[in-house]
Amino acid sequence: ILNVEQSPQSLHVQEGDSTNFTCSFPSSNFYALHWYRWETAKSPEALFVMTLNGDEKKKGRISATLNTKEGYSYLYIKGSQPEDSATYLCASPSGGYNKLIFGAGTRLAVHP
Amino acid sequence: NAGVTQTPKFQVLKTGQSMTLQCAQDMNHEYMSWYRQDPGMGLRLIHYSVGAGITDQGEVPNGYNVSRSTTEDFPLRLLSAAPSQTSVYFCASGEWATEAFFGQGTRLTVV
Repeated sequence: ILNVEQSPQSLHVQEGDSTNFTCSFPSSNFYALHWYRWETAKSPEALFVMTLNGDEKKKGRISATLNTKEGYSYLYIKGSQPEDSATYLCASPSGGYNKLIFGAGTRLAVHP
Repeated sequence: NAGVTQTPKFQVLKTGQSMTLQCAQDMNHEYMSWYRQDPGMGLRLIHYSVGAGITDQGEVPNGYNVSRSTTEDFPLRLLSAAPSQTSVYFCASGEWATEAFFGQGTRLTVV
């Protein structure tokens, strides 16, 4: 089972700051890279599913890039707002199926 | 559209008891999975299924059993509950290379 790692573990920023975090995964046998947003007491919700090297996706103030050759993805949040406070998870399928293996997550706290 | 429905939402068990966590999805998804969430460890895969009649182990399968008799349902059985199984459990479903949809979670405490 592949190893998906995320950094940093936690992040505290001020409202209006832009921030980014990293997901690294094995570059061999790559299928897809998922990003999820997980608010406290709720269920994880998908932000992006990325499959192509060089892919860049955007949803509002949140964007993500993918480098499959070196095995990393970045998630960017521009102009962080308190409602962006959540844990951000990345995941990659292991073994070619939707057997998603998750990283431990980056916990973001945005302070007013 | 209900999506992924998990029951119960909360459960307290005594050590040694058995129980089944229910998961049902109405999106006709092929893939279903069970995860547990523990502090500082993200989501860890317990078991997953790629279709009715087909299941396989994930990262932490010991102490759990699954079956998939229909596309819609994927129950998770705790055979003999242990305090180490105290956790929040999430069921998810999806299709190949698309996002996973999660249930609301089951908070299980084993005393």
